[in-house]
Amino acid sequence: LAKTTQPISMDSYEGQEVNITCSHNNIATNDYITWYQQFPSQGPRFIIQGYKTKVTNEVASLFIPADRKSSTLSLPRVSLSDTAVYYCLVGDMSTGGFKTIFGAGTRLFVKA
Amino acid sequence: GAVVSQHPSWVICKSGTSVKIECRSLDFQATTMFWYRQFPKQSLMLMATSNEGSKATYEQGVEKDKFLINHASLTLSTLTVTSAHPEDSSFYICSARPQGNIQYFGAGTRLSVL
Repeated sequence: LAKTTQPISMDSYEGQEVNITCSHNNIATNDYITWYQQFPSQGPRFIIQGYKTKVTNEVASLFIPADRKSSTLSLPRVSLSDTAVYYCLVGDMSTGGFKTIFGAGTRLFVKA
Repeated sequence: GAVVSQHPSWVICKSGTSVKIECRSLDFQATTMFWYRQFPKQSLMLMATSNEGSKATYEQGVEKDKFLINHASLTLSTLTVTSAHPEDSSFYICSARPQGNIQYFGAGTRLSVL
């Protein structure tokens, strides 16, 4: 399983763009990069997933360089409600027996 | 996206009693489901992999006789915390994967053992 490294915490202000980078040097060829968001006392919520280059959806963008050894989750114009823990996960989840192992995540705190 | 339902969302029980938590995939079939435990300010810790029609696979350090898992159908897995004690108080979360690479999580169950 590819190990991931993220900053423990980040602070931001409302309206700013937030970029959270995840390092995954041992990513395998079949691995995807998936980001989840978790609010207190709730289960994680899927945000975005990518394999290479750039992926964008209605809530975030995911930038993956050519070597795929890192990825950056970009949240445009954050609001107070984006205060949460963000987890970067790497793996080939299409394999039936694949186990998702969570790292420590990044605790984002958005201030007014 | 796919929906995973977890019930109950919160349960309080006396020490020594057993508690059952249900995890259902509402709009897809799941041959495999996962159970996690999360303590305050910590990340999710994988407890076990629940396999439909067969025994669950437990992670190292997780007592299989303490945390009974039953995956009786393609849409339902249950976790029973037997003879619960205060140290079992935690937030329990289940998840499942439809076909593909995205895992969906239940809302979690807060267990408080008095």
